[in-house]
Amino acid sequence: LAKTTQPISMDSYEGQEVNITCSHNNIATNDYITWYQQFPSQGPRFIIQGYKTKVTNEVASLFIPADRKSSTLSLPRVSLSDTAVYYCLVVVEGGKLIFGQGTELSVKP
Amino acid sequence: DTAVSQTPKYLVTQMGNDKSIKCEQNLGHDTMYWYKQDSKKFLKIMFSYNNKELIINETVPNRFSPKSPDKAHLNLHINSLELGDSAVYFCASSPLARGNEQFFGPGTRLTVL
Repeated sequence: LAKTTQPISMDSYEGQEVNITCSHNNIATNDYITWYQQFPSQGPRFIIQGYKTKVTNEVASLFIPADRKSSTLSLPRVSLSDTAVYYCLVVVEGGKLIFGQGTELSVKP
Repeated sequence: DTAVSQTPKYLVTQMGNDKSIKCEQNLGHDTMYWYKQDSKKFLKIMFSYNNKELIINETVPNRFSPKSPDKAHLNLHINSLELGDSAVYFCASSPLARGNEQFFGPGTRLTVL
């Protein structure tokens, strides 16, 4: 059974680096791993996407090992406004789209 | 100039009723999706359309019927609403199918009494 696993919650303080890992068995060979951010009462918003190794953009980095069975979203120097729920999204064998259960990140002053 | 819009934002109705949620995207994307987010925040894909054709149809009761009149619209019709249908429903679109970057609408909170 395809499953995507993330920690349910994480706490951090402003200015720290936060790493959230998603484990995804049965990931499809040729599809991207994508991470989204969701604030209360809003739709998820795209953060970053990668296929392998490391990807970096202006808000985050994404680390993907060679076997692609996990991925780690890295948020450098978080602020209070980064408090949100973070989801990984993968495509598993058969083409099914699977979201992780979401990690609720709480950033404290 | 909202990219992905949904109407209504809130929908409160009685069990057994039939209701529709509308979705429109002005991004020129080929693929549109419907997701259900339950009270525990789990996001599950329900349907996906590519160029008006159904490409993903997850294990969803056949009381749920998507309709895509054109590439920019994907509506969701629900018959005989049940208490368990209460959730937030999100529409999304992407340039290509499968794992491509998706743009989500603001959601429709459906409450079935």
